[in-house]
Amino acid sequence: KAGVTQTPRYLIKTRGQQVTLSCSPISGHRSVSWYQQTPGQGLQFLFEYFSETQRNKGNFPGRFSGRQFSNSRSEMNVSTLELGDSALYLCASSLVRNEQFFGPGTRLTVL
Amino acid sequence: AQSVAQPEDQVNVAEGNPLTVKCTYSVSGNPYLFWYVQYPNRGLQFLLKYITGDNLVKGSYGFEAEFNKSQTSFHLKKPSALVSDSALYFCAVYFSGGYNKLIFGAGTRLAVHP
Repeated sequence: KAGVTQTPRYLIKTRGQQVTLSCSPISGHRSVSWYQQTPGQGLQFLFEYFSETQRNKGNFPGRFSGRQFSNSRSEMNVSTLELGDSALYLCASSLVRNEQFFGPGTRLTVL
Repeated sequence: AQSVAQPEDQVNVAEGNPLTVKCTYSVSGNPYLFWYVQYPNRGLQFLLKYITGDNLVKGSYGFEAEFNKSQTSFHLKKPSALVSDSALYFCAVYFSGGYNKLIFGAGTRLAVHP
């Protein structure tokens, strides 16, 4: 069974731009969660989607948003990029509520 | 509030020696605990989890973890370290608020020397 895939793997943007990241979960998994990983803050929960609905959201500004499609694929969007948004963005999918499988991540660099 | 602490930024061990990576937690209710490993420029790989049952949990790549409720700890162990075990290790607790949210520790870098 194919794992979680994320595209693109690397992105370079400039301040003020916006970016969209994509995540395809493991087949059959309906829950997709997003995390931001930075050297200073570690791994922080962004939000979780289940059946196209956002079920929970972490403590991030409204510039961070996401959505989920009927095939469970998910996208996250960051608008008005700031230097501090440079991070590894990880997506995780799960079938049951306690085991999450992570993708390879998208490394975003904001210049 | 639920939290996870990994008290060591880095653990150094010689190849062939046993290793321990420490984790303590603070949760309300019964904890769901996890260990993940991250290699450079990679995502997180699941190692093992504790939900209920035996306090000694066996996972991937020869790793195991011991759940200790009285000490609120969930230390990761391996009897004989390999150089290829060198990576970043994260302990996590599942947020019991009804959603798929993992709360991670800060991570411990394991360096295994030949």
